[in-house]
Amino acid sequence: KQEVTQIPAALSVPEGENLVLNCSFTDSAIYNLQWFRQDPGKGLTSLLLIQSSQREQTSGRLNASLDKSSGRSTLYIAASQPGDSATYLCAVGAQETSGSRLTFGEGTQLTVNP
Amino acid sequence: GAVVSQHPSRVICKSGTSVKIECRSLDFQATTMFWYRQFPKQSLMLMATSNEGSKATYEQGVEKDKFLINHASLTLSTLTVTSAHPEDSSFYICSARDMGQGTLWDEQYFGPGTRLTVT
Repeated sequence: KQEVTQIPAALSVPEGENLVLNCSFTDSAIYNLQWFRQDPGKGLTSLLLIQSSQREQTSGRLNASLDKSSGRSTLYIAASQPGDSATYLCAVGAQETSGSRLTFGEGTQLTVNP
Repeated sequence: GAVVSQHPSRVICKSGTSVKIECRSLDFQATTMFWYRQFPKQSLMLMATSNEGSKATYEQGVEKDKFLINHASLTLSTLTVTSAHPEDSSFYICSARDMGQGTLWDEQYFGPGTRLTVT
C-alpha cells in the first residue's frame, strides 16, 4: 500500500525567503505526482504535475522535482510571498487500467510572514 | 482550464436525514470522477471512484449503502449521504479526470468542496 509523507508538517518563513517542501513515497512504481495548494476551507488548486518519466516541472516561482528511484519529490518556492501561505499537498498517482488514482500526503502548512 | 463545480458549498442537516452533493465538470467530459473526504487538519482520503454508466468502486471501510454514488452522465456525479450522523460531518471534495485530446493526460481537477455539518 502506497504511503506518502510530507515534511515538515508546518513551516513559517519571512517574506522573500526561498523554501523547499519535501514529499516521500514508499512505492516507487508511480504513474505521476502532483503538488496542490489548499487554502483554509477551500478545495484544491493544482500547481504542478510530473509524469513518472519526467524529472522536474516549473511554473513561475515554483519548481517541482521527482526522483522515482529514491521515492522523493520536492517543491521549491522562490522568493516567497504572504500570498503563498496555504497548505501544500503532495499526491502520488498509481497506475490503474483506466488511469491513475491519487494517494495524498498529510500536507505542509506554510505561513509566509510579511 | 478545466473547471469542476460542487453544489452545495455548505450544508447543515439534522441527524437521520439524507443529503445529496453534486459534482459537475463544466467544460469537459469526465468518464471518471472521485469522491474524497477530509477531516480537519487531515489529508484527503479517497472514498470511491465513480465511473459513468456503471457502479462506483468503494474503498475499503467505506459503506456503499451509506454513501450512494450515481454517475449518470459524463458531466455529473452525485454523492448522497444517507441517514446522516454527526460523525459524517466533514469536508467532501470531488475530482474529475479529463481524458480528452490536447489535455494534460490523466490530470485530476478538483471541485471547491462541500462542508457538511450534521447536528
